[in-house]
Amino acid sequence: QKEVEQDPGPLSVPEGAIVSLNCTYSNSAFQYFMWYRQYSRKGPELLMYTYSSGNKEDGRFTAQVDKSSKYISLFIRDSQPSDSATYLCAMLNTGTASKLTFGTGTRLQVTL
Amino acid sequence: NAGVMQNPRHLVRRRGQEARLRCSPMKGHSHVYWYRQLPEEGLKFMVYLQKENIIDESGMPKERFSAEFPKEGPSILRIQQVVRGDSAAYFCASSPGDRGVPGANVLTFGAGSRLTVL
Repeated sequence: QKEVEQDPGPLSVPEGAIVSLNCTYSNSAFQYFMWYRQYSRKGPELLMYTYSSGNKEDGRFTAQVDKSSKYISLFIRDSQPSDSATYLCAMLNTGTASKLTFGTGTRLQVTL
Repeated sequence: NAGVMQNPRHLVRRRGQEARLRCSPMKGHSHVYWYRQLPEEGLKFMVYLQKENIIDESGMPKERFSAEFPKEGPSILRIQQVVRGDSAAYFCASSPGDRGVPGANVLTFGAGSRLTVL
């Protein structure tokens, strides 16, 4: 079993839809939870990070962490075609410095 | 702020040759990480370095791969005697690395170096 599980998609939604992206994990030592966006043939770009459980909002993006269920989510409101990319969740146990464990990524396509 | 700079962006090598990938961290960042991304897979940790020190190389293949971050100059990921299975995108990331500082563990990635082994 992988430490971090993420549905690879692809996920196709119409412009303006609310998108829900999710990851589950098995390592209870993870404390930092991050979402990266990666456009085709580019490097990952940090969208949001959260420490421990709770919600965090930044513009159209909301990250949720439920440590009791080992489940994290990223919500995108009013999705735009420019949001079309692969979204990677990543997790960190601070005892291992910055050695991130990534999900495989979910490919999102927002259509006009 | 130029961000994390990687070069070359694309590299083609024949089997048995050597590949050298370079990474200059963001200004003010003293911690460098290398990750490998295979097609349809997530990024896999390879190695974590600070200046002149390898901190964690638990993700590095035991043979043919080495990394360094000298006192002066960029970090280098070196792959000797490349094989077709080494074809991948290699990403470098950096962080400020100061424990206890919010966001200090957050990594900023470069655009990657794509290695193709013929």
